[in-house]
Amino acid sequence: GENVEQHPSTLSVQEGDSAVIKCTYSDSASNYFPWYKQELGKRPQLIIDIRSNVGEKKDQRIAVTLNKTAKHFSLHITETQPEDSAVYFCAGGYQKVTFGTGTKLQVIP
Amino acid sequence: DAEITQSPRHKITETGRQVTLACHQTWNHNNMFWYRQDLGHGLRLIHYSYGVQDTNKGEVSDGYSVSRSNTEDLPLTLESAASSQTSVYFCASRGPGRSGNTIYFGEGSWLTVV
Repeated sequence: GENVEQHPSTLSVQEGDSAVIKCTYSDSASNYFPWYKQELGKRPQLIIDIRSNVGEKKDQRIAVTLNKTAKHFSLHITETQPEDSAVYFCAGGYQKVTFGTGTKLQVIP
Repeated sequence: DAEITQSPRHKITETGRQVTLACHQTWNHNNMFWYRQDLGHGLRLIHYSYGVQDTNKGEVSDGYSVSRSNTEDLPLTLESAASSQTSVYFCASRGPGRSGNTIYFGEGSWLTVV
């Protein structure tokens, strides 16, 4: 089955700086890679996703890049704000989606 | 609006008791999942279903069971609750159509086994 590894486990950045979270996956058949944001005590919610036929996708301050050859994908958050503080999960898979272990992002005002 | 709901949201139970967590979605999604979330482990898949009468084991299925008698519901049963099953449980669903592969999560059920 798919194995998704996520780094770092914690990340602190100054407000306004950029944050990058990286994930690797093992199954070359995986074709869908979503990113979820989970605020404290809340459910995970999709913030952006990318399919294997695309190398990059942007949505305002958030972007995701995918390198199929190296089997890794990354989440980029620019101009970070305190409300970006949360736990972020990457995921990958085909029929069944496997989640990474999460990155706790702290944006320091 | 269509939604996915879980109940109970919080429960305390004793070791050895049977516990059932309910999950109901109104999107008519075929795919439904149960995850547990523990610090340091992220979201781990317990069981999943691709349709009525279909159930499959995930990576941490021991001590849990599910049934899928209709499209809307996927109840999760802990046969004999253990302290190691203290966790936050999330039900999720995914369907065809515009949502594509997007997985939608319920609000979670906090279970404490004492």
